[in-house]
Amino acid sequence: DTVLTQSPALAVSPGERVSISCRASEGVNSYMHWYQQKPGQQPKLLIYKASNLASGVPARFSGSGSGTDFTLTIDPVEADDTATYFCQQSWNDPDTFGAGTKLELK
Amino acid sequence: EVQLQESGPGLVKPSQSLSLTCSVTGYSITSNYWGWIRKFPGNKMEWMGYISYSGSTSYNPSLKSRISITRDTSKNQFFLQLNSVTTEDTATYYCAERSRRGWFAYWGQGTLVTVSS
Repeated sequence: DTVLTQSPALAVSPGERVSISCRASEGVNSYMHWYQQKPGQQPKLLIYKASNLASGVPARFSGSGSGTDFTLTIDPVEADDTATYFCQQSWNDPDTFGAGTKLELK
Repeated sequence: EVQLQESGPGLVKPSQSLSLTCSVTGYSITSNYWGWIRKFPGNKMEWMGYISYSGSTSYNPSLKSRISITRDTSKNQFFLQLNSVTTEDTATYYCAERSRRGWFAYWGQGTLVTVSS
């Protein structure tokens, strides 16, 4: 299976820019997607196919990358962005998810 | 708007079968793909499988011998059955709409299933 590696946690101050990385153990073309999950809620799609903003998602969120290295950027970070962010690939079978990056605000 | 809602027992005994229902409103399950994902304690997420608009299925090989996903188009519902469960199957189970290209745009609220005697 394709393993997706994410940093476990990040802490930033409101107004700053943060980049969350996801590295795949093998190429996934551009089929990397990003989700935000807050405690007690279901995941919410933020970015699909590496760089496409999902409907209703603020333009503060953006995605980039292809192949094995991908980045989710939030600029500027707001207090409401405190959450865990997951990447998911759908190029190789089976679909796999990263372990999540917990974003905390200072 | 597409809405999904999981339902089913919150407690299952080891060796028994786990059965969940996903009720969909706002979109027909005869279009697109409909899947199950679970999140274990500790945050790991696992894609379990999906059923397509035509009724074909795809499963995670790690579960292939134990899992079945079926549907009732007249009720716009799809179902998960996981056999021979152990405590390792304790997780929050989500149903979700999966695009053809693989992202999950709509999710249910999730339902916690605990496997315990």
